[in-house]
Amino acid sequence: AQSVAQPEDQVNVAEGNPLTVKCTYSVSGNPYLFWYVQYPNRGLQFLLKYITGDNLVKGSYGFEAEFNKSQTSFHLKKPSALVSDSALYFCAVRDGDMRFGAGTRLTVKP
Amino acid sequence: DSGVTQTPKHLITATGQRVTLRCSPRSGDLSVYWYQQSLDQGLQFLIQYYNGEERAKGNILERFSAQQFPDLHSELNLSSLELGDSALYFCASSTSQGTGANVLTFGAGSRLTVL
Repeated sequence: AQSVAQPEDQVNVAEGNPLTVKCTYSVSGNPYLFWYVQYPNRGLQFLLKYITGDNLVKGSYGFEAEFNKSQTSFHLKKPSALVSDSALYFCAVRDGDMRFGAGTRLTVKP
Repeated sequence: DSGVTQTPKHLITATGQRVTLRCSPRSGDLSVYWYQQSLDQGLQFLIQYYNGEERAKGNILERFSAQQFPDLHSELNLSSLELGDSALYFCASSTSQGTGANVLTFGAGSRLTVL
């Protein structure tokens, strides 16, 4: 069965610094990988997805993610963090239904 | 507004009771997914329906059941409620059955508190 893991419960960065939120996956076959963001008291919002092709995927709000097949990773990145990026981030894999990681809380401090 | 509508937004009830959560998918979407989000267990997949038929089942308790109606709205029924059922319940919809890379669109959730 497919699964994703987010090894960090919490990531803290200073505003203006680059950020990385980590995700590793386990699937049989080609993965469809996703990142979602959840702001307080809101549902999850789609950020970006990897299907095939270019290993660097660009998404909403300046976020991008790097797919690495040899390391089975799909880390979320942003070159310059904003305080408004503070939220809960979920990595997900789809093989039929969609399975989510446990989430990583990103806090960006001014 | 994501286009996925969930009601009620908040619900407080007692142990042993039964509640029904309702979801209207985004226009044109045929698949509905239910997820449970609790503090200690993250986002857990419960069940998926596609065009009225059960498509996939996850960690759904026997006390819980769901269905999707001909107009494509879905209901999640939770019975014999326990304190541990307190959580945020999300509905999501998509156009496809579940294969492929279609994005799920989430509703704002229904927060259930069991006292």
